[in-house]
Amino acid sequence: QKEVEQDPGPLSVPEGAIVSLNCTYSNSAFQYFMWYRQYSRKGPELLMYTYSSGNKEDGRFTAQVDKSSKYISLFIRDSQPSDSATYLCAMSASGSGTSYGKLTFGQGTILTVHP
Amino acid sequence: DAGITQSPRHKVTETGTPVTLRCHQTENHRYMYWYRQDPGHGLRLIHYSYGVKDTDKGEVSDGYSVSRSKTEDFLLTLESATSSQTSVYFCATSARDSDGYTFGSGTRLTVV
Repeated sequence: QKEVEQDPGPLSVPEGAIVSLNCTYSNSAFQYFMWYRQYSRKGPELLMYTYSSGNKEDGRFTAQVDKSSKYISLFIRDSQPSDSATYLCAMSASGSGTSYGKLTFGQGTILTVHP
Repeated sequence: DAGITQSPRHKVTETGTPVTLRCHQTENHRYMYWYRQDPGHGLRLIHYSYGVKDTDKGEVSDGYSVSRSKTEDFLLTLESATSSQTSVYFCATSARDSDGYTFGSGTRLTVV
């Protein structure tokens, strides 16, 4: 079993839809949670960053972390064709003394938003 | 990808040859990482560095070695390339161990 599980999709939605992307994990030491967006043939870019449990909002994007359920989500409101990309969840056990900032990534979910 | 340059961007090489990929950063970040990205596997950590000459293995390190003689450069070497090492290789950096990463644009390597 992988430490981080993410449904690879693909996910196809109409423009304006609300998109929900999710990851589950098994390592209870994870405390930093991130979402990256990766356009085709590009490197991933950091989209959202959350420490521990709770919600964080940035424009049309909301990240949620539920450590008790080992479950994280990314919501995209009013989705646009420019949101079409692969979304990767990532998490780290930084602060544990030996993590050195290593991130464990999910497989990535391919999202297409069609006009 | 401001501040991180990977070279080459594309490479085709033959089985059994050594290959070196370079990552150069101008961010002065302490931490550097090499990942490979493959369909169905996402990003997997090959090796990482937490300072000059300080490196360690990641999840999929067999067949790879690294060196970091300067803060700005992190080299990944495939000692004897195999077809299973055909992949897209990404370098990433971070300033602190709790930070998110900044990624390079990737190197697309094909081993024939």
